[in-house]
Amino acid sequence: EAGVTQFPSHSVIEKGQTVTLRCDPISGHDNLYWYRRVMGKEIKFLLHFVKESKQDESGMPNNRFLAERTGGTYSTLKVQPAELEDSGVYFCASSQGARATDTQYFGPGTRLTVL
Amino acid sequence: QKEVEQDPGPLSVPEGAIVSLNCTYSNSAFQYFMWYRQYSRKGPELLMYTYSSGNKEDGRFTAQVDKSSKYISLFIRDSQPSDSATYLCAGNTPLVFGKGTRLSVIA
Repeated sequence: EAGVTQFPSHSVIEKGQTVTLRCDPISGHDNLYWYRRVMGKEIKFLLHFVKESKQDESGMPNNRFLAERTGGTYSTLKVQPAELEDSGVYFCASSQGARATDTQYFGPGTRLTVL
Repeated sequence: QKEVEQDPGPLSVPEGAIVSLNCTYSNSAFQYFMWYRQYSRKGPELLMYTYSSGNKEDGRFTAQVDKSSKYISLFIRDSQPSDSATYLCAGNTPLVFGKGTRLSVIA
């Protein structure tokens, strides 16, 4: 069974540009999460989709970040315009259920560098 | 105050040693506590979780939670070089992670 995949693995862009990150969850997983790790900091929760609906977007840092999950399958996270402080590793995770005991399976992450 | 505090290490031990990894947390609302393992250039992988206070054992790994002192521990017995990774503790929900402790087990 394929795990969570993320594309691209690395992205280097200039401040002010737009970047779109993609996450493909494990097939059949209704729950999809985005996290971010800024260098030297903890992995932080960004938002949670249940199918195509945003269940919790309390971690989204500001309105430069837009997450979508069309059709409840893959998800995209767009940063527009990117700022220097957006650099970090963006992780996606998926799970079957949303209970605390439902294992979240993480992708390998997208390393974003904003110059 | 950060919700989950974890010493980032690095921690280096000889093969076969017992490893103790620890976290403290401040959010009394946490009910579940997770330990994740992350290898270099990979995403975190769930090792085990515990509910409230108590111990949970899975093979060479034991997780402990002491809610009275808000202290979370992970013990690794008979550590192996393949255990070399970053270990992250987390409370729920949504997941709130510590910074992670980098562990190296030297053969």
